[in-house]
Amino acid sequence: EPEVTQTPSHQVTQMGQEVILRCVPISNHLYFYWYRQILGQKVEFLVSFYNNEISEKSEIFDDQFSVERPDGSNFTLKIRSTKLEDSAMYFCASKRLGQGSYEQYFGPGTRLTVT
Amino acid sequence: AQSVTQPDIHITVSEGASLELRCNYSYGATPYLFWYVQSPGQGLQLLLKYFSGDTLVQGIKGFEAEFKRSQSSFNLRKPSVHWSDAAEYFCASGSNFGNEKLTFGTGTRLTIIP
Repeated sequence: EPEVTQTPSHQVTQMGQEVILRCVPISNHLYFYWYRQILGQKVEFLVSFYNNEISEKSEIFDDQFSVERPDGSNFTLKIRSTKLEDSAMYFCASKRLGQGSYEQYFGPGTRLTVT
Repeated sequence: AQSVTQPDIHITVSEGASLELRCNYSYGATPYLFWYVQSPGQGLQLLLKYFSGDTLVQGIKGFEAEFKRSQSSFNLRKPSVHWSDAAEYFCASGSNFGNEKLTFGTGTRLTIIP
């Protein structure tokens, strides 16, 4: 069964550094999402992406964040200058287009630790 | 805006006992509702989903959930829990409008005692 994959599984970075989190969505999916989960808290929406542009973003997704689909398979989340409070688990999700396309499929997550 | 409430932060159940995890949603129309499970250090696995039709939905691992519009609830149930069910459970709502995001509840941590 096709899966969403994410790399790396764990990233440690110093405050102020740039990080790029990578996701490979399921191949025939056209909607892409990033969510994050701070330790012990609920999963929060960051951004959705469709047709090569951002569809919706949350208040968390400020100018330090950006997303890109650099080729036909990868979907990336970049944090330009990380802060301690960016430490979290980041989940990528994808969803197909069309009738009955209600379900988002989640990747295993990337744990980002900012020191 | 949609919101999802899971009133129980932590529930402890004996192995073999029945389980019910509560979820309430707030949404103007009929939402699409989901239950996800997260084992420690793992990602989110979909247990079951409700879109329309039969209000009692069956999922994986022996779980079921019932949509009750009058109570704005979508409670998760299992008749007999196993030690492997110990995990964090998240209720989420969404819609069919394009690429609508999911809104998650705060989660319920389930502990199983022998």
